[in-house]
Amino acid sequence: QKEVEQNSGPLSVPEGAIASLNCTYSDRGSQSFFWYRQYSGKSPELIMSIYSNGDKEDGRFTAQLNKASQYVSLLIRDSQPSDSATYLCAVSGLTGNQFYFGTGTSLTVIP
Amino acid sequence: ETGVTQTPRHLVMGMTNKKSLKCEQHLGHNAMYWYKQSAKKPLELMFVYSLEERVENNSVPSRFSPECPNSSHLFLHLHTLQPEDSALYLCASSQEGRFGYGYTFGSGTRLTVV
Repeated sequence: QKEVEQNSGPLSVPEGAIASLNCTYSDRGSQSFFWYRQYSGKSPELIMSIYSNGDKEDGRFTAQLNKASQYVSLLIRDSQPSDSATYLCAVSGLTGNQFYFGTGTSLTVIP
Repeated sequence: ETGVTQTPRHLVMGMTNKKSLKCEQHLGHNAMYWYKQSAKKPLELMFVYSLEERVENNSVPSRFSPECPNSSHLFLHLHTLQPEDSALYLCASSQEGRFGYGYTFGSGTRLTVV
């Protein structure tokens, strides 16, 4: 059973702060890791992908991957109220085309 | 039209009805998926189609029947559903590759079984 674990939250941060979201996974063979953002009543939207150990930065978002420890995280710098959403971690299976999702972490950015 | 389009957006059906969900992708992707999203649970992978062939069926009850007539279209045929099948059904597409490129999701169909 492939498992992806996320703290369901809710996580609240003040506007302008750094939000840190964490995810652990059980399948050591996983090759691809993704973060999706899902606004209430909407479908998930891909915001970050990471494949190699280390950090990957895209604007205010930084994804961090540590395969040895089997965790992946997402940092959101200068958090904005528009970042308030549920963030889903997705991890690939061995085929690379099927992904297993966590339950998501609910983030609220307080103005 | 761009992206992944799902219809209908909302569906209410009785347990004896037969209905179908439709998904169309305009991205040139070669893999399509059905996921079920229930409250407080992870997204559940239901079916995977790669190059129009079903490659995954995650122990889904036979009251759900997928159909993929071509690489751009995906259907989910529903019959004799149960109230616990009420959920958000999401279609997604991707381009196959060794490491995966992530999904593009449709807007989903909110299904209520009464």
